Amino acid sequence: KAGVTQTPRYLIKTRGQQVTLSCSPISGHRSVSWYQQTPGQGLQFLFEYFSETQRNKGNFPGRFSGRQFSNSRSEMNVSTLELGDSALYLCASSSGNGETQYFGPGTRLLVL
Amino acid sequence: SQQGEEDPQALSIQEGENATMNCSYKTSINNLQWYRQNSGRGLVHLILIRSNEREKHSGRLRVTLDTSKKSSSLLITASRAADTASYFCATQILSGYSTLTFGKGTMLLVSP
Repeated sequence: KAGVTQTPRYLIKTRGQQVTLSCSPISGHRSVSWYQQTPGQGLQFLFEYFSETQRNKGNFPGRFSGRQFSNSRSEMNVSTLELGDSALYLCASSSGNGETQYFGPGTRLLVL
Repeated sequence: SQQGEEDPQALSIQEGENATMNCSYKTSINNLQWYRQNSGRGLVHLILIRSNEREKHSGRLRVTLDTSKKSSSLLITASRAADTASYFCATQILSGYSTLTFGKGTMLLVSP
């Protein structure tokens, strides 16, 4: 089976712009989670989707949003980018009860 | 918020030596997992130990869990240069969602 894929892999944006990141889960996986990784805050949970429904959300401002499509692919959007949004954004998919999560390679976002 | 705290933050050893990393957490959990990350790439799942288990082995990896002390340790035996990476513990509470809460990680450097 193909692994979790994330596009794009690298992105450079300027403050105030918005960005959309995409994640394709492993075939058959219905749960997709997003995490932000920064040197200062480490790995922080953003949101989790299951069958197109957001079932958990982390402590991030409303500028961060996401959605999941009927084919389980997920997108996250960050509006009005700030310098502090520069990070590695990781997506993970899982099946069943979600115990084991499989991570994609991440999208590295740089905000200038 | 970080649930797990790894110790040490960084560890430098020679090939062939054993590496031990510790993780402490704060709340009751269903399981604790260890992940590896190479140079800011995606996370690779190493091993999962459930709250009713005390020890688990996988190849050169040995994980212990002490729920009374809310702590876990990861032992990598006979380390190789290829084990150089950051190692993260993550706790999971399976209550309708499968969010992972990560610690800040231990950077392991294995020198030839």
